[in-house]
Amino acid sequence: QKEVEQDPGPLSVPEGAIVSLNCTYSNSAFQYFMWYRQYSRKGPELLMYTYSSGNKEDGRFTAQVDKSSKYISLFIRDSQPSDSATYLCGFTGGGNKLTFGTGTQLKVEL
Amino acid sequence: GAVVSQHPSWVICKSGTSVKIECRSLDFQATTMFWYRQFPKQSLMLMATSNEGSKATYEQGVEKDKFLINHASLTLSTLTVTSAHPEDSSFYICSASEGAYEKLFFGSGTQLSVL
Repeated sequence: QKEVEQDPGPLSVPEGAIVSLNCTYSNSAFQYFMWYRQYSRKGPELLMYTYSSGNKEDGRFTAQVDKSSKYISLFIRDSQPSDSATYLCGFTGGGNKLTFGTGTQLKVEL
Repeated sequence: GAVVSQHPSWVICKSGTSVKIECRSLDFQATTMFWYRQFPKQSLMLMATSNEGSKATYEQGVEKDKFLINHASLTLSTLTVTSAHPEDSSFYICSASEGAYEKLFFGSGTQLSVL
């Protein structure tokens, strides 16, 4: 079983749609849960990070963590074409270095 | 958020030459810097971890003599790809941390093409 699993997509949605991006993990030592956005040929940009189960909201973005199921999600409301990018989940904690998912490619179409 | 500057953004070189990539933390002191490699449509692969003033720690399978890392100050780390070959062509990204892995800030990446 892979330590982190993320659907690579691509995911194509119309402008204004709600987008749901997900990752599962197997390492119980992970304590911090991150979402990064990466535009083509650019470095990843930290969008959200959290360390507890539940929801964390920041503007149009909501990060959700369910530690009991080892499942995290990122929701994007009112998606815009500028949200088109690759989204990577990231995990760390318990002395572990940052472990990334493979990334989900998102395209928001006009 | 904190800013990490990476240069150059792209470089083309001949096979056998060496290429140096710089990574600077502009508004914070980076106790730890990381170097990643990324192939098209794949995730970031950690190459090495560097701490200021000490030797870098390389991940398994990464050649230390091929990828030289220097972290001479709390704001600057460099990656030198020595005697580059076409198989070294890739996107290289650095990141820096003030001390917490959950708050990593990334450079904009360097696309290396070896002819």
